[in-house]
Amino acid sequence: GQQLNQSPQSMFIQEGEDVSMNCTSSSIFNTWLWYKQDPGEGPVLLIALYKAGELTSNGRLTAQFGITRKDSFLNISASIPSDVGIYFCAGQLYGNQFYFGTGTSLTVIP
Amino acid sequence: KAGVTQTPRYLIKTRGQQVTLSCSPISGHRSVSWYQQTPGQGLQFLFEYFSETQRNKGNFPGRFSGRQFSNSRSEMNVSTLELGDSALYLCASSLGGGALMNTEAFFGQGTRLTVV
Repeated sequence: GQQLNQSPQSMFIQEGEDVSMNCTSSSIFNTWLWYKQDPGEGPVLLIALYKAGELTSNGRLTAQFGITRKDSFLNISASIPSDVGIYFCAGQLYGNQFYFGTGTSLTVIP
Repeated sequence: KAGVTQTPRYLIKTRGQQVTLSCSPISGHRSVSWYQQTPGQGLQFLFEYFSETQRNKGNFPGRFSGRQFSNSRSEMNVSTLELGDSALYLCASSLGGGALMNTEAFFGQGTRLTVV
């Protein structure tokens, strides 16, 4: 099945730094979702985006739905140790099938 | 309201056996999707059920099958287990609905299957 290109694959940052990651696709999507997964747990939905150009925040997290509908960005400001985990993007075009990115592993160094 | 519930959380099976995993979606959600997650392969889509019908299917062999009941609960079955089937199996529920409907998917905690 289709997979989205997510970058970077991994990040090691100092506590307090800002983080940026993105997701790109060769196809357009109607919905973009961002998830965070802790080890051994299921992904937890962070932000949902429904319109091209939409910018949505959830606390220190901000995500944008790209104008071309083929990409999305997630920013985390002032990172803290509990931000550690794997972040996934997901796109949905029609029906209810979601396509997932390959994940970005985030490590925050205290 | 209650989230997505997957049972069991952990399973150990031997090669050749079969296994059934269960997923109870969020109340009111009619779509259940199943994913296999392994360290090297990320989230791989298995299939999606909506109103007791398989609506989408990924590229997995026929040993992987599923079904959905009238109360939207879903089961996934893997027959003739292989070592490579060891993975975290996740289900996600969403409202489902028509092609133009924007939806969000919510995941359960997963079932960790180990095949020995």
